[in-house]
Amino acid sequence: AQTVTQSQPEMSVQEAETVTLSCTYDTSESDYYLFWYKQPPSRQMILVIRQEAYKQQNATENRFSVNFQKAAKSFSLKISDSQLGDAAMYFCAYNTVQGANSKLTFGKGITLSVRP
Amino acid sequence: GAGVSQSPSNKVTEKGKDVELRCDPISGHTALYWYRQSLGQGLEFLIYFQGNSAPDKSGLPSDRFSAERTGGSVSTLTIQRTQQEDSAVYLCASSLAGPSNQPQHFGDGTRLSIL
Repeated sequence: AQTVTQSQPEMSVQEAETVTLSCTYDTSESDYYLFWYKQPPSRQMILVIRQEAYKQQNATENRFSVNFQKAAKSFSLKISDSQLGDAAMYFCAYNTVQGANSKLTFGKGITLSVRP
Repeated sequence: GAGVSQSPSNKVTEKGKDVELRCDPISGHTALYWYRQSLGQGLEFLIYFQGNSAPDKSGLPSDRFSAERTGGSVSTLTIQRTQQEDSAVYLCASSLAGPSNQPQHFGDGTRLSIL
């Protein structure tokens, strides 16, 4: 079974600065998908960025980018030019590519606060 | 277009009562998922529906939990004889069919409190 670990329960960043959120996972599969989701106080989970394991290039979405290290099974999220609206819980998630069983396996999340 | 809709937003009930939680997925999304988020925890998978296939129930924590999806659209999660440990936020998500890199779109969840 796959597991996702987010070892930092909380982080804080100054507005306009850069912050990196860590995530590691464990799997025996060679191909899979990884995601970062954001959950603001409104509770709705919002997809931030996704990465296919077979792609060597790190995914980027505007101020959000990942550092995907497949051999180390590490998938960190970098937020550049942090904004007050980035304050939320961030969840790392894994999905298998096998068959139609596409449930997400989530880490426990990290609470990010942004200081003005 | 409309997103995933869940109702009720909040539910408070007494221990031992049955509850029903509703999820209305995005139109055209054939895949529907239920997750549970307990305080301080990540999301725990409960059940997954894909089209007319048999659902993946592997995440249901006990036989008090069941879910159905009528007509390939609206889904209802039922918890019988509720216990205090059932208190959590129940999140529903839907996605298009296809490879599992399809993003899952989440509703706002139902916060269930068992007294």
